[in-house]
Amino acid sequence: AQSVTQPDIHITVSEGASLELRCNYSYGATPYLFWYVQSPGQGLQLLLKYFSGDTLVQGIKGFEAEFKRSQSSFNLRKPSVHWSDAAEYFCAVGERTYKYIFGTGTRLKVLA
Amino acid sequence: DGGITQSPKYLFRKEGQNVTLSCEQNLNHDAMYWYRQDPGQGLRLIYYSQIVNDFQKGDIAEGYSVSREKKESFPLTVTSAQKNPTAFYLCASSIRQGANTGELFFGEGSRLTVL
Repeated sequence: AQSVTQPDIHITVSEGASLELRCNYSYGATPYLFWYVQSPGQGLQLLLKYFSGDTLVQGIKGFEAEFKRSQSSFNLRKPSVHWSDAAEYFCAVGERTYKYIFGTGTRLKVLA
Repeated sequence: DGGITQSPKYLFRKEGQNVTLSCEQNLNHDAMYWYRQDPGQGLRLIYYSQIVNDFQKGDIAEGYSVSREKKESFPLTVTSAQKNPTAFYLCASSIRQGANTGELFFGEGSRLTVL
């Protein structure tokens, strides 16, 4: 069955440090991949997406992600974290049948 | 500005009551979705609709009902049959891109609390 795994439930980094959030997926075909961010009590906002082409994708707020087919991964990175990046981050796979599979999320805490 | 509007943002319900959550979009998207979010469980699909007058059950449809009479509207009713309705509910929409769908656009969510 298709699945998305975010192995880190919580991550804490200092402001200005680099960040990498992990995402692994299980999907038979070439997946459509997404990263979303959610602030407390709010909806989800798209950070970036991968459909095809260049495996390194740039998103909003200085985030990027790299699709590695051999590792079934789509990790999210940011070179320097800001305090406003504290939020919950979700990785998702889009299937070809109008369905999306979400990971359980990684909650990011940023230390001043 | 185009977007998805959910209402109410907060809702309190007594046990045994049905409640309806509103979701309206002006993005002209074909597909609409309802997700339930509980702490530590990510998003779980309740129902989705690809076109007007058609909808499919998601992974946790029991105790919920929907309608899609207009392209821009996809209300969710939480019935008294739903055993644990206290949760954060998110409505979303997407546009079809060829054989696949694009990204989801989300509303701000509705928090339902059963007293």
